[in-house]
Amino acid sequence: SQKIEQNSEALNIQEGKTATLTCNYTNYSPAYLQWYRQDPGRGPVFLLLIRENEKEKRKERLKVTFDTTLKQSLFHITASQPADSATYLCALDRGSYIPTFGRGTSLIVHP
Amino acid sequence: GAVVSQHPSRVICKSGTSVKIECRSLDFQATTMFWYRQFPKQSLMLMATSNEGSKATYEQGVEKDKFLINHASLTLSTLTVTSAHPEDSSFYICSASAAGGPSGELFFGEGSRLTVL
Repeated sequence: SQKIEQNSEALNIQEGKTATLTCNYTNYSPAYLQWYRQDPGRGPVFLLLIRENEKEKRKERLKVTFDTTLKQSLFHITASQPADSATYLCALDRGSYIPTFGRGTSLIVHP
Repeated sequence: GAVVSQHPSRVICKSGTSVKIECRSLDFQATTMFWYRQFPKQSLMLMATSNEGSKATYEQGVEKDKFLINHASLTLSTLTVTSAHPEDSSFYICSASAAGGPSGELFFGEGSRLTVL
């Protein structure tokens, strides 16, 4: 069966460091992969989309990589700030524009 | 970016009553809207996909008679939880994709926390 795996344990890092979150998937051939941020009690907010033929995408302090051989995406936040603390969801889509979401990983940035 | 407004943000109701949640796209036309529910520390579970002017497509295991979805216009979709029971208590979130917009990006509402007593 299809699986999207994100680390269920919270990632704790110190302010200024780079946070790296992982999204692994199995039995899936996504056309593209998205990352969203979700704050407690709020709806997710879109951050980045990367297509299957792209290796890397950047937006300000954010960087996403997509390795279709490893079936993995890495999400990096450089120079992290306490305001970056949130849950980050990855979502995969075969191209139907109906993505399937992972459970998300909580990031806590300590001042 | 595009804005999706969801209302109410919180609702508490008695068991057996029906609750309606509205989802509006404020500055774009949404050809497709999605309804999700989310339990604490769990992923978003897609309940149904609605297209303007047609019947919603429900995911396996979601009762269409229990969760009524109406997508009456390109800017409004509603979810009605009928005869709500405590097990329906959850966080319900809608999202929309823009007609002709960037492919794949979803714009989410703020979510509605339903508590059934």
